[in-house]
Amino acid sequence: NAGVMQNPRHLVRRRGQEARLRCSPMKGHSHVYWYRQLPEEGLKFMVYLQKENIIDESGMPKERFSAEFPKEGPSILRIQQVVRGDSAAYFCASSPWTLDRDNSPLHFGNGTRLTVT
Amino acid sequence: DQQVKQNSPSLSVQEGRISILNCDYTNSMFDYFLWYKKYPAEGPTFLISISSIKDKNEDGRFTVFLNKSAKHLSLHIVPSQPGDSAVYFCAATGSPYSGAGSYQLTFGKGTKLSVIP
Repeated sequence: NAGVMQNPRHLVRRRGQEARLRCSPMKGHSHVYWYRQLPEEGLKFMVYLQKENIIDESGMPKERFSAEFPKEGPSILRIQQVVRGDSAAYFCASSPWTLDRDNSPLHFGNGTRLTVT
Repeated sequence: DQQVKQNSPSLSVQEGRISILNCDYTNSMFDYFLWYKKYPAEGPTFLISISSIKDKNEDGRFTVFLNKSAKHLSLHIVPSQPGDSAVYFCAATGSPYSGAGSYQLTFGKGTKLSVIP
């Protein structure tokens, strides 16, 4: 998991607050992917971004969730007005220009564990 | 609707013996399969993958077998070591040419492997 940096590692928010999760991709990677793991579940795709572009957000809830990957700085996953059901582990992965499945499968960061109280 | 199923939540194996983890899938569009290993409080780590044009791929102690007609794959670990104790996720994706998106991994719920010394 070395290279993809996520922070914070743990985040506690009260219902109704906002949560901001940050992901810095591996050096040289321009593509970022966010996945969510609910308790006792597998990881589920949320959104795929390139610099300044959302490529596919089909896995992201339509309301309260947004993601960005600015020209400078980390990718941000933002959850507004959090609810208890948002409690999960959020993982970020990165890849170079195009995902070459045979040579560079997705490499994940260590995740942010969000707890909504 | 679970497209990737890992029906055994847990598995215990003696050190030195073979560990066999199973995975079934339902989506015929999947043509690339991966295994990830995950330790607590860490992100998933890529282990081994297989394309649908193959039926076996080997990397050291790890071998993945694919039976396309049965839509079944398995991961063999021989010999098992205590350090292999982790949760193992099976994941699948479709060819980008099919529109499924090679970055959109669909994960199973995982199998917790315990290797007993």
